[in-house]
Amino acid sequence: SAVISQKPSRDICQRGTSLTIQCQVDSQVTMMFWYRQQPGQSLTLIATANQGSEATYESGFVIDKFPISRPNLTFSTLTVSNMSPEDSSIYLCSVHSGGTEAFFGQGTRLTVV
Amino acid sequence: AQSVAQPEDQVNVAEGNPLTVKCTYSVSGNPYLFWYVQYPNRGLQFLLKYITGDNLVKGSYGFEAEFNKSQTSFHLKKPSALVSDSALYFCAVSPLSGSARQLTFGSGTQLTVLP
Repeated sequence: SAVISQKPSRDICQRGTSLTIQCQVDSQVTMMFWYRQQPGQSLTLIATANQGSEATYESGFVIDKFPISRPNLTFSTLTVSNMSPEDSSIYLCSVHSGGTEAFFGQGTRLTVV
Repeated sequence: AQSVAQPEDQVNVAEGNPLTVKCTYSVSGNPYLFWYVQYPNRGLQFLLKYITGDNLVKGSYGFEAEFNKSQTSFHLKKPSALVSDSALYFCAVSPLSGSARQLTFGSGTQLTVLP
């Protein structure tokens, strides 16, 4: 299993500003995944972050809006840039550690006002 | 492309009764199948998975799920529901092949167990 620490747990931000979410894993992992969960919706994959290379973004998500860093095998950040109320969501990081199942951070609940 | 369907947005069951949360999937080749639970203001917690072998898999908190290849289903079950089981449940699939292990999630089913 893996223990994932994600912060902040929640934030309220002004539109037009940016928020950086941090994800720390207690073991080294090759890939880290960032998901978005809009209110009342399921999880949608934003991007896959590999250490030492640029993140791979899913359709509908772009690097300028959601820049990702992956400086080492235990840490990643996701920035939500130039925020609008439509960005209000829960953002979750996830890893696969050893087995086939994914482990998730507790999520960051973002409200943009 | 892979997809997951959870046909019920909401399932209500009385405490002590059996519960079923439905899931069907579509994927090329053989799938990995998962169930996750999300409690309010929490991240997702892994419940159980099907990879291969016995079609009936057992997981955390007394939950089990039955893989049915002909019906492409992976319904979550529990013989006797508890009020504390009330939460949001997600079914997910990833392809057997490939290293990315990218999950596709269903829309979620809100389970409410009534005392």
